[in-house]
Amino acid sequence: QKEVEQDPGPLSVPEGAIVSLNCTYSNSAFQYFMWYRQYSRKGPELLMYTYSSGNKEDGRFTAQVDKSSKYISLFIRDSQPSDSATYLCAMSAFINAGKSTFGDGTTLTVKP
Amino acid sequence: GAGVSQSPRYKVAKRGQDVALRCDPISGHVSLFWYQQALGQGPEFLTYFQNEAQLDKSGLPSDRFFAERPEGSVSTLKIQRTQQEDSAVYLCASSPRGGVRGETQYFGPGTRLLVL
Repeated sequence: QKEVEQDPGPLSVPEGAIVSLNCTYSNSAFQYFMWYRQYSRKGPELLMYTYSSGNKEDGRFTAQVDKSSKYISLFIRDSQPSDSATYLCAMSAFINAGKSTFGDGTTLTVKP
Repeated sequence: GAGVSQSPRYKVAKRGQDVALRCDPISGHVSLFWYQQALGQGPEFLTYFQNEAQLDKSGLPSDRFFAERPEGSVSTLKIQRTQQEDSAVYLCASSPRGGVRGETQYFGPGTRLLVL
């Protein structure tokens, strides 16, 4: 079983919808939680970063971390066609802060 | 400013051929990471440098894989005697400081390797 499991999708929503993307993990040492967006044939781009449990909001994006349940989420409000991409969750532990473990990604399509 | 660049962008190799993939990190970035991304999967960690020192190579899948960063800037990932299972996108990332918790990693576009 992988250390990080991500809802596989794909996900297709109409423009303006609220999108929920989720990951679960098994390694209790993970302290840092990231969400990346990856467009086709591009490298991942960091969207959100959260340390430990809690919520973080940045514009239309909200990241939530529940360490007790080992569950993280990314919410996208008022989704736009330009949000169509693959979303990757990633995590790292304190000791190996530079070494990230990624989920396999959820591909999102936002239809106009 | 310039981001992380990788070359070549695409590489087709015959099975058994050696390949070398290059990464130019953002100027001044201390840390450099290599990841392997198979089709439909997330990136998998291969190795990590802080300046010229290779601090973690636990993700290299076999002794056919070798990475170096001799002057603490450009890095090369070399794969010897390529196999079909090596076909993947190889991503390079850099970050400004050394192993700082949660620090942003900036990714390059990747090199897409196909082994026939």
